[in-house]
Amino acid sequence: GQQVMQIPQYQHVQEGEDFTTYCNSSTTLSNIQWYKQRPGGHPVFLIQLVKSGEVKKQKRLTFQFGEAKKNSSLHITATQTTDVGTYFCAAGSNTGGFKTIFGAGTRLFVKA
Amino acid sequence: NAGVTQTPKFQVLKTGQSMTLQCAQDMNHNSMYWYRQDPGMGLRLIYYSASEGTTDKGEVPNGYNVSRLNKREFSLRLESAAPSQTSVYFCASSEAPGTGGVQNIQYFGAGTRLSVL
Repeated sequence: GQQVMQIPQYQHVQEGEDFTTYCNSSTTLSNIQWYKQRPGGHPVFLIQLVKSGEVKKQKRLTFQFGEAKKNSSLHITATQTTDVGTYFCAAGSNTGGFKTIFGAGTRLFVKA
Repeated sequence: NAGVTQTPKFQVLKTGQSMTLQCAQDMNHNSMYWYRQDPGMGLRLIYYSASEGTTDKGEVPNGYNVSRLNKREFSLRLESAAPSQTSVYFCASSEAPGTGGVQNIQYFGAGTRLSVL
C-alpha cells in the first residue's frame, strides 16, 4: 500500500538553529497536511498544501509541496523551545480512498 | 464546543480482558477514525467510518472492532486484550472523507493510554 517516508526520525538542535523535516512518497499525492504533537499531547493540524510547488508560511514555519507532488518539507527558522514536539506529515492520494496516511513523524528536541 | 472527546484517558487491563474506548465529536463531522500510536511508529489507522452507518478497516484492524453508534459517536472495542495492544489510542474526526479541501482536516481527541499486562 501507499507509504509516506518522513526523515529524519529525530533532530536535536540548539535554540536559534534552523530545522527541516522531509516527507516523501513514491506516488503522486493530491494533498499533504502537516500536524504537530507536543510531548504528551495529541496531533494538531498546522496546514494543508494542495497545489504543485505550493509554498506557505506561518511565522517562522515554511511549508513546501514539491513540483511533482511527491514530496514536502517543513522548515522552522530560528527554533525556539516552544517548537519542541513531533511533526507529522499526512498524505492524501487519489488512489487512497478515504484514508489519509501519516508519516512516522520527526521528533524535534530544542536545547536552550 | 469540546471538539473530540475520548474516554477513558488511562486504562490498565489484564491479558484477555475486554473493554470499549469511547469517542464523541460535537462538530457535526461525517468521518471518524481510530489510530494507535506506538513509539517510533507514527499514527497507524485501525478503523475508520467515512459516514454514519459505514465502517472500514485501516492498516492494523486485527484484534479490534468498531461501532459507529450515530453521527457523533464512534467506539473501539478490544474483545480479548493482548500485551501487543499496549499503546496510545487516538480518535479523530473530519468534516468529510476524500482528498483535498479543508473538509479533510482531522481533529484529534486527547487520547487513551492503554496498558495490557
